[in-house]
Amino acid sequence: GENVEQHPSTLSVQEGDSAVIKCTYSDSASNYFPWYKQELGKGPQLIIDIRSNVGEKKDQRIAVTLNKTAKHFSLHITETQPEDSAVYFCAAIASGGYQKVTFGTGTKLQVIP
Amino acid sequence: GAVVSQHPSRVICKSGTSVKIECRSLDFQATTMFWYRQFPKQSLMLMATSNEGSKATYEQGVEKDKFLINHASLTLSTLTVTSAHPEDSSFYICSSRPLRGQGAAVGEKLFFGSGTQLSVL
Repeated sequence: GENVEQHPSTLSVQEGDSAVIKCTYSDSASNYFPWYKQELGKGPQLIIDIRSNVGEKKDQRIAVTLNKTAKHFSLHITETQPEDSAVYFCAAIASGGYQKVTFGTGTKLQVIP
Repeated sequence: GAVVSQHPSRVICKSGTSVKIECRSLDFQATTMFWYRQFPKQSLMLMATSNEGSKATYEQGVEKDKFLINHASLTLSTLTVTSAHPEDSSFYICSSRPLRGQGAAVGEKLFFGSGTQLSVL
């Protein structure tokens, strides 16, 4: 089955700095890679995703990059704000029907004002 | 985006009682609903996949008789924790994907409920 590793487990940055979270996956059949933000006591919220036919995708301060050859993808948050503080999960999915979602272990991001 | 409504958000119950958690897809048809359990500071662990009109598929190690899942309609799935014990205390989350062509046409995108914090005394 798919195995997704995520690093770092915790990350502290000063407000305004950038934050980068990295994930690697094992199953070459995975072709859809979403990122989720989870605030304390709430369900995860999809913030950005990327398909395997694209190398990079950007949405305002958030971007995701994908290296299919190396089987890794990263989340980049620029100009971080205190409200970006949360736990972030990456995931890998082999699309086609209702395939299982394999989540990374999560990164707790703390943005220091 | 698509919305999954989960209730209750928090429940405290006595040991031995049963608790029902509901998840509704508000603006799309959810033929499949995923149920996760999350321990503090850990990732989401898939417990089972509920399928509308058929039996749920449980992950290895998850007791079917303990965690009863019902998916009677295209918009409602329920998880019942039967004879709850303190070790069942956890954060339970549901999620689903709209099929392609439905409303938001979001394909693989997975949308989550807001979660239910269960505390068994």
